[in-house]
Amino acid sequence: DAGVTQSPTHLIKTRGQQVTLRCSPKSGHDTVSWYQQALGQGPQFIFQYYEEEERQRGNFPDRFSGHQFPNYSSELNVNALLLGDSALYLCASSSKGLLFGGIYNEQFFGPGTRLTVL
Amino acid sequence: TQLLEQSPQFLSIQEGENLTVYCNSSSVFSSLQWYRQEPGEGPVLLVTVVTGGEVKKLKRLTFQFGDARKDSSLHITAAQPGDTGLYLCAGDGGATNKLIFGTGTLLAVQP
Repeated sequence: DAGVTQSPTHLIKTRGQQVTLRCSPKSGHDTVSWYQQALGQGPQFIFQYYEEEERQRGNFPDRFSGHQFPNYSSELNVNALLLGDSALYLCASSSKGLLFGGIYNEQFFGPGTRLTVL
Repeated sequence: TQLLEQSPQFLSIQEGENLTVYCNSSSVFSSLQWYRQEPGEGPVLLVTVVTGGEVKKLKRLTFQFGDARKDSSLHITAAQPGDTGLYLCAGDGGATNKLIFGTGTLLAVQP
């Protein structure tokens, strides 16, 4: 049973460029959340996708956008990269069905993509 | 805005010592999760606590959820070098299905 996978592992970009990060959720999960983690800090929620729509969004500018595909995989896109976008980007999957069934939400994280903006 | 404060921020101890990490908020959470993260990797879920006052044990780790579901603690007995890592608490507001992470506690256990 594969866990959450993310690609690429590492990425180096320059200011102003655009980047796309990818995530495949854990088998049986239908909800994908994206987080940004700066060095030495806790992850910050970017947004969440369920049924191919953005359902929740954190305090991130419109330069951050995403997409979820019918197979539940997801992409995170960041446009006009800034130096401050350098971080570890984490994808977490969960099951919305479990939440609606009254079972508490548990999210499982992938290994992350380390983005460096020069 | 829901915030979670962790203390201490950094902790360096010798193998065999005991320690406690605290996670505090003014907000109520429907559940609270503890994760451990190693360098270059994603957070790994250790435990989820749901009921106020709940205590869960995972080998040498003891997790407690506050009675009012606003705070939590993690106690490690006889710490080992393998316990080294960043410990994160994360609260689940419930309806939003998003996690609010704490500021993190970086633990280093020296052999």
